[in-house]
Amino acid sequence: GENVEQHPSTLSVQEGDSAVIKCTYSDSASNYFPWYKQELGKRPQLIIDIRSNVGEKKDQRIAVTLNKTAKHFSLHITETQPEDSAVYFCAAPAGGSARQLTFGSGTQLTVLP
Amino acid sequence: EAGVAQSPRYKIIEKRQSVAFWCNPISGHATLYWYQQILGQGPKLLIQFQNNGVVDDSQLPKDRFSAERLKGVDSTLKIQPAKLEDSAVYLCASSPIGTGETQYFGPGTRLLVL
Repeated sequence: GENVEQHPSTLSVQEGDSAVIKCTYSDSASNYFPWYKQELGKRPQLIIDIRSNVGEKKDQRIAVTLNKTAKHFSLHITETQPEDSAVYFCAAPAGGSARQLTFGSGTQLTVLP
Repeated sequence: EAGVAQSPRYKIIEKRQSVAFWCNPISGHATLYWYQQILGQGPKLLIQFQNNGVVDDSQLPKDRFSAERLKGVDSTLKIQPAKLEDSAVYLCASSPIGTGETQYFGPGTRLLVL
């Protein structure tokens, strides 16, 4: 099955700085990589995803990059704001099915005002 | 569009008791998932349904957990008997067929087993 490792487990940045969270995966057949944001006590919400036919995808202040050769993908948040503070999870398909996700262990991002 | 609904939101039981959780997916979503999220960890898939059939239940502790999705809409997840290590948030998610893999999560049921 898929093994997803996520780093760092905690990340503190000053407001306005950038934050980068990295995940590695094990199954070279994986082709879909979503990122979820989970605020305290709330449901995970998809913030961005990328498929293996592209190397980068951007949505306003959020971007995801994918390196299929190295089997890692990263979340980049620019111009961070206090409301970006949350736990971020990466995920990758389990067993080759994009509908079955294995999640990383999460990164607690704190944006300091 | 209405989101995934779950109930109850919170449940406290003693070990060896039984508990059931309910999930109503987004209308028209054929695929439904149950996840277990232990504090400080990512969600772990327990079972996946497509319509009313089980696609994958390889990580479901079948000696104590069961799930069903009668009529291919609502689903229930049951634990009987509960153990202390079952304390977690149980998340339900759904996704449509044919429009990608995006999973939409419900608010979860927070279970505490004493």
